[in-house]
Amino acid sequence: GNSVTQMEGPVTLSEEAFLTINCTYTATGYPSLFWYVQYPGEGLQLLLKATKADDKGSNKGFEATYRKETTSFHLEKGSVQVSDSAVYFCALSDIDNAGNMLTFGGGTRLMVKP
Amino acid sequence: DGGITQSPKYLFRKEGQNVTLSCEQNLNHDAMYWYRQDPGQGLRLIYYSQIVNDFQKGDIAEGYSVSREKKESFPLTVTSAQKNPTAFYLCASSGVAGGTGELFFGEGSRLTVL
Repeated sequence: GNSVTQMEGPVTLSEEAFLTINCTYTATGYPSLFWYVQYPGEGLQLLLKATKADDKGSNKGFEATYRKETTSFHLEKGSVQVSDSAVYFCALSDIDNAGNMLTFGGGTRLMVKP
Repeated sequence: DGGITQSPKYLFRKEGQNVTLSCEQNLNHDAMYWYRQDPGQGLRLIYYSQIVNDFQKGDIAEGYSVSREKKESFPLTVTSAQKNPTAFYLCASSGVAGGTGELFFGEGSRLTVL
């Protein structure tokens, strides 16, 4: 079956530091890959996505590249801000599955200190 | 504005009581989903529905029930059979099956059993 593995948190960084959150996946088909962000007390928001190998998703300074050879979709940002403090979820959607159900990783909490 | 509305945002329940969480969407999406999130953990799928008057169990359906009488609405009932109902519940929707797999989330409902 499909699965997503994320690095465990929390990840604590100082403002303007470089961020990497690792994500690897296992899928039977050709998945689309996503990063969602959850701010405290809120639902999840789509941060970025990539639908095929070698695609790069980007938004708000965050980037992730779909690497089929390493089955990875690591999230990066060159300079984090305090406002980036949130929980980040990696997810995949396999079109071989019924509907658009996503398989989520366990989430990684990011804390950015001033 | 289009989106997903969950209510109530906070709910308290005594043991042995059933409680219903509301989820309404005006995105004209066919599919709707309920997820449960426990502190520090990822999302687990409770139920999903791809079309009106049809729904399927997810990974943790025991102790929950749903209905899908209208395209816009997908209420979740947490029954007294659910052994540990205290959690954060998230409703989501998506467009036509086979798309890129993006889910749109509501802001969540936090249920606490007293």
